[in-house]
Amino acid sequence: AQTVTQSQPEMSVQEAETVTLSCTYDTSESDYYLFWYKQPPSRQMILVIRQEAYKQQNATENRFSVNFQKAAKSFSLKISDSQLGDAAMYFCAYRSAGISGAGSYQLTFGKGTKLSVIP
Amino acid sequence: DSGVTQTPKHLITATGQRVTLRCSPRSGDLSVYWYQQSLDQGLQFLIQYYNGEERAKGNILERFSAQQFPDLHSELNLSSLELGDSALYFCASSTSPGGTNTGELFFGEGSRLTVL
Repeated sequence: AQTVTQSQPEMSVQEAETVTLSCTYDTSESDYYLFWYKQPPSRQMILVIRQEAYKQQNATENRFSVNFQKAAKSFSLKISDSQLGDAAMYFCAYRSAGISGAGSYQLTFGKGTKLSVIP
Repeated sequence: DSGVTQTPKHLITATGQRVTLRCSPRSGDLSVYWYQQSLDQGLQFLIQYYNGEERAKGNILERFSAQQFPDLHSELNLSSLELGDSALYFCASSTSPGGTNTGELFFGEGSRLTVL
């Protein structure tokens, strides 16, 4: 079974600064998807960024980018120019890409990192 | 707005009772997933339906059951409720069993269940 580990329960960053959230995962599969979801106090789960494992290029979405290290099974999220609205819980998630029987498509989540942004 | 609708948003009930949570997926999405989010367990996958049929089962208790109806909405039934069942229950949807081409799931706002 796949596992996702977020080793930083809480992080803080000064407004306009850069912060990196860590995520490692364990899998024996070669093809999969990785995601970062954001959960603000409104509790809605919002997709921040996604990465397909077969793509070597790191994904980027505006101020959000990832450092995907497939061999190390690491998938960190970098938030540049942090804004007050970035304060939230951030969850790293894994999803298998292939058909390998029942239960292949659900997301496996890490425990989350609570990010605070200091004005 | 993800397009996934969950009702009720909040629910308070007593131990031993039964509740039903409802989810309407995004228009066109055939697959529905249920997740439980509690403080100590994080986000746990419960069960997945695709076009009315159960596709995958996770850490779902025997006291819990779900179904997906012909109009594709889904219901999660929780019975003999215990204090530990207090949690946020999310529904998510996607088009194919495996999600969109990008693998993404679209989440509702969740139903907050409090068991007293």
